[in-house]
Amino acid sequence: GENVEQHPSTLSVQEGDSAVIKCTYSDSASNYFPWYKQELGKRPQLIIDIRSNVGEKKDQRIAVTLNKTAKHFSLHITETQPEDSAVYFCAATPSNDYKLSFGAGTTVTVRA
Amino acid sequence: NAGVTQTPKFQVLKTGQSMTLQCAQDMNHNSMYWYRQDPGMGLRLIYYSASEGTTDKGEVPNGYNVSRLNKREFSLRLESAAPSQTSVYFCASSIFGGNQPQHFGDGTRLSIL
Repeated sequence: GENVEQHPSTLSVQEGDSAVIKCTYSDSASNYFPWYKQELGKRPQLIIDIRSNVGEKKDQRIAVTLNKTAKHFSLHITETQPEDSAVYFCAATPSNDYKLSFGAGTTVTVRA
Repeated sequence: NAGVTQTPKFQVLKTGQSMTLQCAQDMNHNSMYWYRQDPGMGLRLIYYSASEGTTDKGEVPNGYNVSRLNKREFSLRLESAAPSQTSVYFCASSIFGGNQPQHFGDGTRLSIL
């Protein structure tokens, strides 16, 4: 099955700086890569996703990049704000699978 | 439009007791999932149902059973609760399969003494 590794496990950034979270996956057949944000005590919520036919996707201050050759993908948050403080999870799945494989999560803290 | 609704939100059990966690979605999704979340271990899949009438084991199925009651509802049962099952349980659904966005419920915080 798919194995997803996520780094770093914790990340502290100054407000206004950028944050980058990296994930690697093992199954070369994986073609869907979502990112979820989970605020303290809340449900995980999808913030952005990318499919293998696209190398980069942006949504306002958030962007995701995918390198299929190296089997890694990254989340970039620019101009961080206090409300970006949360746990972020990456995930991956092959097209013929009914389930997602999640990374262990990154706790992001934005310092004012 | 409630999305994914889980009940109860909190529960305390004694070791050996049984209980059923309920999940319902109103988005006409075909696939449903049960995860547990423990500190530092992310989201681990317990069971999933690709479509009505099917269920399959995930990464950590031992000690659990599931029932896909109909297209909307997917329940998780602990037959004989153990302290190791203390966790936050999330139900999720997707239109069909793993390569579609999953929508999560608010979770059930379960403590087993």
